[in-house]
Amino acid sequence: DAGVIQSPRHEVTEMGQEVTLRCKPISGHDYLFWYRQTMMRGLELLIYFNNNVPIDDSGMPEDRFSAKMPNASFSTLKIQPSEPRDSAVYFCASSPLVGTDTQYFGPGTRLTVL
Amino acid sequence: ELKVEQNPLFLSMQEGKNYTIYCNYSTTSDRLYWYRQDPGKSLESLFVLLSNGAVKQEGRLMASLDTKARLSTLHITAAVHDLSATYFCAVDIDQGAQKLVFGQGTRLTINP
Repeated sequence: DAGVIQSPRHEVTEMGQEVTLRCKPISGHDYLFWYRQTMMRGLELLIYFNNNVPIDDSGMPEDRFSAKMPNASFSTLKIQPSEPRDSAVYFCASSPLVGTDTQYFGPGTRLTVL
Repeated sequence: ELKVEQNPLFLSMQEGKNYTIYCNYSTTSDRLYWYRQDPGKSLESLFVLLSNGAVKQEGRLMASLDTKARLSTLHITAAVHDLSATYFCAVDIDQGAQKLVFGQGTRLTINP
């Protein structure tokens, strides 16, 4: 398997613009997670899905952030409008089985908001 | 508020030496994960510890979990340069749902 795929790998945008990050989980994995990593706050779980359904979005920082999973092989994280403090590395991870396995992380998207 | 604290946050050591990274957490959980991250890279799973007293070893790394003490350790034996990386522990706070809270990370540098 190719592993978790994220696109784009790098994104530079200007404040106020809409940003969409994309993720393709490993085939057959039921869980999908979105994380954000910054120097100040470390790794934070934003939201996760089970079988395409959002289970917990308590980590989403504010209404400017939204995530969808329209099918088992695709998820998006959208920021609208973007702000400089959203600059971070965003990771997507997937997991095949709750409780006994680990999460497999994608390569991440490095977002810079100017 | 849940806290997952790693100690130390920075560690510089010589090749061939042994050392331990500690991960303390403030909530009840019997599921703990260790990950490795190289600079500019993603996270790689090292160990999954799913019960009190669990011990797992891979090469020069060994991880253990004491759920009563809310403590996990990652022990490095006879360190080699290739082990230089940042190591994260993560606690599952929603039993079985893999809702993970990560520690701050320990940046390990191993010098020849």
